[in-house]
Amino acid sequence: DTEVTQTPKHLVMGMTNKKSLKCEQHMGHRAMYWYKQKAKKPPELMFVYSYEKLSINESVPSRFSPECPNSSLLNLHLHALQPEDSALYLCASSQAGRGVNEKLFFGSGTQLSVL
Amino acid sequence: QKEVEQDPGPLSVPEGAIVSLNCTYSNSAFQYFMWYRQYSRKGPELLMYTYSSGNKEDGRFTAQVDKSSKYISLFIRDSQPSDSATYLCAMTRNTGNQFYFGTGTSLTVIP
Repeated sequence: DTEVTQTPKHLVMGMTNKKSLKCEQHMGHRAMYWYKQKAKKPPELMFVYSYEKLSINESVPSRFSPECPNSSLLNLHLHALQPEDSALYLCASSQAGRGVNEKLFFGSGTQLSVL
Repeated sequence: QKEVEQDPGPLSVPEGAIVSLNCTYSNSAFQYFMWYRQYSRKGPELLMYTYSSGNKEDGRFTAQVDKSSKYISLFIRDSQPSDSATYLCAMTRNTGNQFYFGTGTSLTVIP
């Protein structure tokens, strides 16, 4: 099983709403990622959790708040977003970044529209 | 200079053609190399994975890594309309959790 599951697949929210994106993997991976992808651009790293600890925050605005409740789950809490935050949000996972068979597996993404 | 360079295309080929997609990179520490296929508004799907130099074949797909030239390639044989997608190369070192992506090449296979 090489699946990363993301919900919801589509989300429309207003600028005053609070919503959450969810991600789950059961591959035993210990690193989990949030990426943001605009049309015709490569994925842009937002956050990395390694062994359930936040290890990388790429200077993401505080209106995006990640959470890693356990080694299989990753959430991204959204609050007071701007229209320019509309994008495809991708969750990904990999083994623990210790030089062992490094592969990055992506979920199918959440297409987010901020009105 | 970007860490990874990839020609964005677009690339348009007739069905059955051999497609060659390429990336160059600047960091000699990269050890793991990946190719992803991404359909519009979907997440990238891992197609091929190679560790260090060499070739890897899987069905109609062949991935090549030339570390001496800092150059990687993906070949698609007998291309099909269903291969029409954006292809992203990605690579990483053997430590840390940073993956570096090319900009993606848009491929259209015409029936």
